[in-house]
Order: sequence, then C-alpha cells, then structure tokens
Amino acid sequence: GAVVSQHPSWVICKSGTSVKIECRSLDFQATTMFWYRQFPKQSLMLMATSNEGSKATYEQGVEKDKFLINHASLTLSTLTVTSAHPEDSSFYICSAGRTVDQPQHFGDGTRLSIL
Amino acid sequence: GEDVEQSLFLSVREGDSSVINCTYTDSSSTYLYWYKQEPGAGLQLLTYIFSNMDMKQDQRLTVLLNKKDKHLSLRIADTQTGDSAIYFCAESQGTGGGNKLTFGTGTQLKVEL
Repeated sequence: GAVVSQHPSWVICKSGTSVKIECRSLDFQATTMFWYRQFPKQSLMLMATSNEGSKATYEQGVEKDKFLINHASLTLSTLTVTSAHPEDSSFYICSAGRTVDQPQHFGDGTRLSIL
Repeated sequence: GEDVEQSLFLSVREGDSSVINCTYTDSSSTYLYWYKQEPGAGLQLLTYIFSNMDMKQDQRLTVLLNKKDKHLSLRIADTQTGDSAIYFCAESQGTGGGNKLTFGTGTQLKVEL
C-alpha cells in the first residue's frame, strides 16, 4: 500500500530556532500534500494545502510567514516552523493524496517541543 | 463551513460490539472516512464509504451511512483491547485524494476486560 514517511518523528529545540519537517510519499507521486496540527486530546486542524510547484493555500488564521511550506517535487513537501516558540509546540501530521483516486495517506506525525 | 461532531468517550467490555457515531452538516460530502489514532501515533485509515452507499463491511468493521440524517456510524464487532484508541470520522468533497478532509472531534474508545 501507499506509504508516507514523515521525519523527524520527535524534535526538541530551543525557542527562536527554526525547525524543518519533511513529508515524503515513498511509493507514489502525490499531487497534493496536506499539513495538519493536533493539540493534545484534540482533533486535527488543517493548516495548509500544498500542490507541487505552486504556493501553498493556508487556512484562515494560519500565519504563512511562520509556517513555510515548500512542495518542490511530487514526493516531497516540507514544513518549516520559523523562529519557533513554546506555543508552537504541537503534533504536526502530513498527508499525501492523488487526484485520481482515494484515499489520502498519512504520515506518522512529528512531535515538536519548544523549550 | 463544515462541522463534524462525535461523542467524546465510549467504554465497552472486551468481546462486545462498539458503535461510534458521527454527524456532519455538509450535504455535499462525497466520501466519509474512519481513522484510528493510537497514543503518540499518526492516523491509520480503517475504512471509507462513498456517499451513495448505505453500508460497507470489512471484516470486524461495519460502516452505516444515513445520508438523509447526515449520520455515520462505525461498528466494531468482538471489540478487543487492541482496539482502544481515538477514532476520528472525516468527510471530504470531490472524488480524489487531493481534497481536504474535515475531521470530527474524535471518540476515545476504552476497552475493558
């Protein structure tokens, strides 16, 4: 089946650091990738939709200068949390999909802890 | 916008059936999904149903869709302790995997011995 790899799985860093999270579709070409954020004991909140070769579409309330998304190829999207602060600590999950079929496939998530 | 609601918590005994319910508001939903999330892990797709179907069965899982009432349910037969997790329903519009999902609030299932 389709596999989406997310890296790193857990990162701890100091306040002010920028952190990059990678999302790769390993055995298929993803036309669209999605980035979600999940707070403890809450549901997933869509942050942005990323299409290969074009700018990401951000959901209302998500700062695009804070959360930089790059989707340079059909198998890789990256989310960079710039100048991270403790309030950015969260679980970030990506998913990848193709327009021609269902469903989306999810990565295992990245736990980000900012000290 | 879309709104997807679930009850927060369900507790069942091992061996019993579990029924997790979900209601949604968007009548243009095309696909409806059930995902499982274990602590600290990502989402595992359990099953999904196209909106023109009423029921889908996959081994221990049965999905029922009442499109008129915008109600979706997931029945897990012979529930095991390994089924303890948070279950999310989700909906999307359109027919491709490139469409964004709207997730429900999640139901925590606890299976007791």
